[in-house]
Amino acid sequence: KQEVTQIPAALSVPEGENLVLNCSFTDSAIYNLQWFRQDPGKGLTSLLLIQSSQREQTSGRLNASLDKSSGRSTLYIAASQPGDSATYLCAVPTSGTYKYIFGTGTRLKVLA
Amino acid sequence: DAMVIQNPRYQVTQFGKPVTLSCSQTLNHNVMYWYQQKSSQAPKLLFHYYDKDFNNEADTPDNFQSRRPNTSFCFLDIRSPGLGDAAMYLCATNPSGSYNEQFFGPGTRLTVL
Repeated sequence: KQEVTQIPAALSVPEGENLVLNCSFTDSAIYNLQWFRQDPGKGLTSLLLIQSSQREQTSGRLNASLDKSSGRSTLYIAASQPGDSATYLCAVPTSGTYKYIFGTGTRLKVLA
Repeated sequence: DAMVIQNPRYQVTQFGKPVTLSCSQTLNHNVMYWYQQKSSQAPKLLFHYYDKDFNNEADTPDNFQSRRPNTSFCFLDIRSPGLGDAAMYLCATNPSGSYNEQFFGPGTRLTVL
């Protein structure tokens, strides 16, 4: 059974710092991995989708990497800004289904 | 813009009073999902549709039901809401399966008095 873990659960950094969020999964037979951002009381906004055949995907200051063999993905945020403060979640589809398993998220606070 | 729309954004109901949440999409995606998310927790899948094919999660309470009358619309019915059903309800879509990304609506915050 696929399990997805995100560490740390919460992170507080000063503005301008580069940071890495981690996502681990137990079953490496995944088609893709998706990173989301969630602001308090809001829905999920898709940030990056990284396919199993890719090792990296970039969008602006965000870079996601995927290492299937070790069951890990990282989300790198460069030059963090207070507007990046949110909860970041990763999700993977379960093999052979249309269902997704989510991590519990990392709550990021970027201090001005 | 193509999108996933949820109505209402905030819903208040009384203990035991039936409530219906709605989701619509202009993306023409085959798959639609309903998730329940409680504070500081991961979204929990309640059920999903592939076209009209309904898939219920084993641990989704019988109190929760869903309807998808057409490609664009999907409804979540809570027959007798309890205090434990207070949560954010998220609707999502997916074009056709595991290789594609999910798109989420803004969510409906349900309060049960």
